[in-house]
Amino acid sequence: AQTVTQSQPEMSVQEAETVTLSCTYDTSESDYYLFWYKQPPSRQMILVIRQEAYKQQNATENRFSVNFQKAAKSFSLKISDSQLGDAAMYFCALGGSNYKLTFGKGTLLTVNP
Amino acid sequence: SQTIHQWPATLVQPVGSPLSLECTVEGTSNPNLYWYRQAAGRGLQLLFYSVGIGQISSEVPQNLSASRPQDRQFILSSKKLLLSDSGFYLCAWTPGTSGYQETQYFGPGTRLLVL
Repeated sequence: AQTVTQSQPEMSVQEAETVTLSCTYDTSESDYYLFWYKQPPSRQMILVIRQEAYKQQNATENRFSVNFQKAAKSFSLKISDSQLGDAAMYFCALGGSNYKLTFGKGTLLTVNP
Repeated sequence: SQTIHQWPATLVQPVGSPLSLECTVEGTSNPNLYWYRQAAGRGLQLLFYSVGIGQISSEVPQNLSASRPQDRQFILSSKKLLLSDSGFYLCAWTPGTSGYQETQYFGPGTRLLVL
């Protein structure tokens, strides 16, 4: 069975600062994908970034980057130059060979002006 | 480009009444489709997924059911709603031809309140 753990229920950051959200996972598969989704107050799930497990290079999307540590089964999200619009619930997710995503319980990020 | 629609956006229903939520995807064919439920302040629970017309896999035994009458249409139903069915229901899709690793794209969701 696949599991995803987000150990930080809530995090806060000052505007323009950097914050890192943690995620650990467990899977017995060798081929898998990892995702970070953002859920703002509107509650629509928005893809932030994704990482293919076979790629050693960490994925980057503008101010969002990941630190993928395959051996440690760790997949953290770094948000640089935080903006008020980054305030949201962030979910880490793991995709394997069964058509399904396994989601963590989420981290609520607050951005303080 | 592909878009996903859900309706209604909000629904208030009495206990024991029937339910029908609809999800449609435009701009793609043969997508994999998913229904999730999210209780307030909690994570996503996968309810059903479908890899083709008439093919439904259920993840959680409950009083909900799903159907896929057309390639790009996914319907979530109930004959008699329970209070515990309240929540936020999200539909998602992935390209069916590319396998399981594809990103799931979500619709805007339906807020259901059962009173």
